[in-house]
Amino acid sequence: QQQVKQSPQSLIVQKGGIPIINCAYENTAFDYFPWYQQFPGKGPALLIAIRPDVSEKKEGRFTISFNKSAKQFSLHIMDSQPGDSATYFCAASTHTDKLIFGTGTRLQVFP
Amino acid sequence: GAVVSQHPSRVICKSGTSVKIECRSLDFQATTMFWYRQFPKQSLMLMATSNEGSKATYEQGVEKDKFLINHASLTLSTLTVTSAHPEDSSFYICSANSGGGEQYFGPGTRLTVT
Repeated sequence: QQQVKQSPQSLIVQKGGIPIINCAYENTAFDYFPWYQQFPGKGPALLIAIRPDVSEKKEGRFTISFNKSAKQFSLHIMDSQPGDSATYFCAASTHTDKLIFGTGTRLQVFP
Repeated sequence: GAVVSQHPSRVICKSGTSVKIECRSLDFQATTMFWYRQFPKQSLMLMATSNEGSKATYEQGVEKDKFLINHASLTLSTLTVTSAHPEDSSFYICSANSGGGEQYFGPGTRLTVT
């Protein structure tokens, strides 16, 4: 019940495309859902996060869609660029508690 | 966003020696810090939760006598890998909770045990 399932494992898009990464959870006590971006050899960087009281949040080219009833949330990257090539992790937690991470999605954006 | 630093960024040590990794929150106070381990092309594995002024809480399967954690102040937590062996070679990453509940990660420490 503590798991966060993430898909796809890898994703290849052309520049300008809109990659979508999906995550699903079981624990209804989760109330904080962040997305992290990680480049090779670096620590994860917080991209954007959402709480269950809203269904969508947008920051720049990154959008989280949240479906509370389906217990799913997704990350959309608008107008993707080669510099967006990285591994993306979704996560979930009960506010200040430890994060439960998804397995990661390796995104490659080709010019 | 909030900044978390780690030192050293890379360390190579001989088998049987101990290594200390420092994690600092630079512009905020963190009552809770976390230590993760990450193998190549895998997700982050939580090792322990570190609370300032109290003993760390270790995840199942993590040896607390091997991975010593100290959270001496609201801005500093340390991880000491004792009697390191080649299988301890990994990427170790710390994170800290900001006041708003967001968790910010350090840049990671690459440990190689020869």
